[in-house]
Amino acid sequence: GQQLNQSPQSMFIQEGEDVSMNCTSSSIFNTWLWYKQDPGEGPVLLIALYKAGELTSNGRLTAQFGITRKDSFLNISASIPSDVGIYFCAGQRVGGSNYKLTFGKGTLLTVNP
Amino acid sequence: EAQVTQNPRYLITVTGKKLTVTCSQNMNHEYMSWYRQDPGLGLRQIYYSMNVEVTDKGDVPEGYKVSRKEKRNFPLILESPSPNQTSLYFCASSFEGAGDTQYFGPGTRLTVL
Repeated sequence: GQQLNQSPQSMFIQEGEDVSMNCTSSSIFNTWLWYKQDPGEGPVLLIALYKAGELTSNGRLTAQFGITRKDSFLNISASIPSDVGIYFCAGQRVGGSNYKLTFGKGTLLTVNP
Repeated sequence: EAQVTQNPRYLITVTGKKLTVTCSQNMNHEYMSWYRQDPGLGLRQIYYSMNVEVTDKGDVPEGYKVSRKEKRNFPLILESPSPNQTSLYFCASSFEGAGDTQYFGPGTRLTVL
């Protein structure tokens, strides 16, 4: 199965800085999801996007569904130490099954206090 | 408490010895899914189930079996484990489909010697 191209692979930032990560694909998606995985735990859904151009916020997190439907980005503003973890994008391709989900390889975020 | 539970959490076994990883959810979810997580590869979907007695392959189903005899349980079966199945496994569930909010279990770390 196809995987999404997620970048960057890792980020080391200072507390208070803003963070941006993105996912791209050569295929068109009808759903984009952003998950966070804390160390030793399962992923937790942060934001779900269902429409091209949609911009959604969840606290300090903002995500957008790209107009071309081939990409999405996640921004974290004013990072704090508990933002540490692995962030995954995931999506459902147009024409694909509603029951299948493709994940990016993840962005490992480290926040220095 | 609404949750997805997996057992065992850790397992070390030998090649060829059949094993089952159990997954149970108490949220009356229709959809359940299994993923494996490997370093540098993100999460990849193994199998999923849309409802009782209805299952289908994900992106990496080779070497795995599943069953869905009851709504709450979705065990993952490795009939003859091999070292390349050493991985971190996650079970997840949602009300409907992969694009809905999926709740992940805590993970099962499997080592096949």
